[in-house]
Amino acid sequence: DVKVTQSSRYLVKRTGEKVFLECVQDMDHENMFWYRQDPGLGLRLIYFSYDVKMKEKGDIPEGYSVSREKKERFSLILESASTNQTSMYLCASDPGPTGNTIYFGEGSWLTVV
Amino acid sequence: SQQGEEDPQALSIQEGENATMNCSYKTSINNLQWYRQNSGRGLVHLILIRSNEREKHSGRLRVTLDTSKKSSSLLITASRAADTASYFCAPSGTYKYIFGTGTRLKVLA
Repeated sequence: DVKVTQSSRYLVKRTGEKVFLECVQDMDHENMFWYRQDPGLGLRLIYFSYDVKMKEKGDIPEGYSVSREKKERFSLILESASTNQTSMYLCASDPGPTGNTIYFGEGSWLTVV
Repeated sequence: SQQGEEDPQALSIQEGENATMNCSYKTSINNLQWYRQNSGRGLVHLILIRSNEREKHSGRLRVTLDTSKKSSSLLITASRAADTASYFCAPSGTYKYIFGTGTRLKVLA
């Protein structure tokens, strides 16, 4: 079975802190994604990556950056956390190039205080 | 945008009844997928239907696709309390998947 592992299930960080959310997939997938999910807003795409060191902005990239140095790992970085970034963050991957089943991690609940 | 819009936003039914939820989208697609999300968890893939297919079955799930109307439906037959979850559609024409706000299904025992 494909496994997408998010390193932290629950985090509490202070405003202004730099936050790293890590995601690892074990199936050599080409594509990886970061979403955030808020009540009433559904899933919103932050960034996605279609290859190592390749990335594209999603719909809400402001305040976030990403890193994909190795194929299996896709990191989401909040350079200076703010309270409006309190949310659940979901990582996902798919084999690529297009139109395949997407596999999700269990989510990371981030609270910024 | 490839975003799917699910309808209704919320649905409450009795155990044993059928549940139908719909998805509409705006651009041409290669395929459309349905996902389930239990409260506070990640999404789980249910079924994928390709643009040249009209209907697909998987266990108690039946999915239809009408590309002329740019719409899809997901039918869950003989629902169970364990089917209580949010359901999302994901139309795909590129490698970028956009999800809507989902349909929240509650199955009452």
